[in-house]
Amino acid sequence: DAGVTQSPTHLIKTRGQQVTLRCSPKSGHDTVSWYQQALGQGPQFIFQYYEEEERQRGNFPDRFSGHQFPNYSSELNVNALLLGDSALYLCASSLYAGKNQPQHFGDGTRLSIL
Amino acid sequence: EDKVVQSPLSLVVHEGDTVTLNCSYEVTNFRSLLWYKQEKKAPTFLFMLTSSGIEKKSGRLSSILDKKELFSILNITATQTGDSAVYLCALIDSNYQLIWGAGTKLIIKP
Repeated sequence: DAGVTQSPTHLIKTRGQQVTLRCSPKSGHDTVSWYQQALGQGPQFIFQYYEEEERQRGNFPDRFSGHQFPNYSSELNVNALLLGDSALYLCASSLYAGKNQPQHFGDGTRLSIL
Repeated sequence: EDKVVQSPLSLVVHEGDTVTLNCSYEVTNFRSLLWYKQEKKAPTFLFMLTSSGIEKKSGRLSSILDKKELFSILNITATQTGDSAVYLCALIDSNYQLIWGAGTKLIIKP
């Protein structure tokens, strides 16, 4: 039973570039949430996808966008990268019907902006 | 503004010691409180608390929620070096969003 998988594990970009991060949810899960975790901080909610639509969004600019595919996998896109976007990006999956249940996390993508 | 505050921010103890980690919150309405352990990568789920005063236990770890005083604690007894990690507390709010604390970094010295 595969858990949540994310790719790539590490990524180095320069300011102004664009990046795409990928996530496959745990088998049986239909909802994907994305988080940004800066060093020494708790995760910050970016957005959540269910049925290929963005259902909820945190306090992040439009440079952050996403997509969910029919197989429930998801992408996070960040445009016009800033130094402050350097962080660990975590994907979590869950069942939409079980919203009051713990989410399962992937190992994250470590994004470094030079 | 809803917030979750964890204390201490970091803690260094010796193997065999008992530790108590705190999570206090200012959240108007929430559904559940969660504890996660984060080593180098993915946070892994430890406990989910919904009712006040009922202890959840798993091996050497236990946790309890006090809805009157607005806090939760996570206890680890007979600590081992493998317990070294960041322990995160989060609340599921009324919109089913997770509100996270900054975490407590726990270091267990042999």
